[in-house]
Amino acid sequence: DAKTTQPPSMDCAEGRAANLPCNHSTISGNEYVYWYRQIHSQGPQYIIHGLKNNETNEMASLIITEDRKSSTLILPHATLRDTAVYYCIVRGTYNNNDMRFGAGTRLTVKP
Amino acid sequence: KAGVTQTPRYLIKTRGQQVTLSCSPISGHRSVSWYQQTPGQGLQFLFEYFSETQRNKGNFPGRFSGRQFSNSRSEMNVSTLELGDSALYLCASSLAALAGNTGELFFGEGSRLTVL
Repeated sequence: DAKTTQPPSMDCAEGRAANLPCNHSTISGNEYVYWYRQIHSQGPQYIIHGLKNNETNEMASLIITEDRKSSTLILPHATLRDTAVYYCIVRGTYNNNDMRFGAGTRLTVKP
Repeated sequence: KAGVTQTPRYLIKTRGQQVTLSCSPISGHRSVSWYQQTPGQGLQFLFEYFSETQRNKGNFPGRFSGRQFSNSRSEMNVSTLELGDSALYLCASSLAALAGNTGELFFGEGSRLTVL
């Protein structure tokens, strides 16, 4: 079972920041938060991951609360091509690629 | 650098048949994992292979099997196909170490199986 809770859908205006929340209240100390997205009929695409510090890359920023029970993925300037299902996943660092995907958040970027 | 390649991209089978799907990971990646995606169940983990050994398995019946070759390429097989096996089958590879893996998974485009 997925260890995360996300809203089923969100809308965002093109050019504005998209803030996607994720709750992971049972996260363990050695578990990372990963974000992937899936554009219709394509394989999931890695976006970003973090442990406890905020992270930023060319695609997005990840803000993790101090207690690590929730996080927010930020797409700073959403475009129509960012319309996708976004998955928040909690995963340990051990030799395990068993990613437990939940239902994700369907983000629709509108012109 | 080539991405994860899955073949075939689309296929149609009938109930009772068997199917083999192939996955070529990114060069240098030794871990390959397989996922099934359906509208009702979402993305579900099937199994993972590392250095030709299955090291994790999801909750799927024994009809679902896989293997990995010495060049890290992987195949999965589904025998005695059922209508419910219709799905997008995704393969992912990663630079998994034996421990302390924090690397991301790189997914292929998937093989879409339709069972009639």
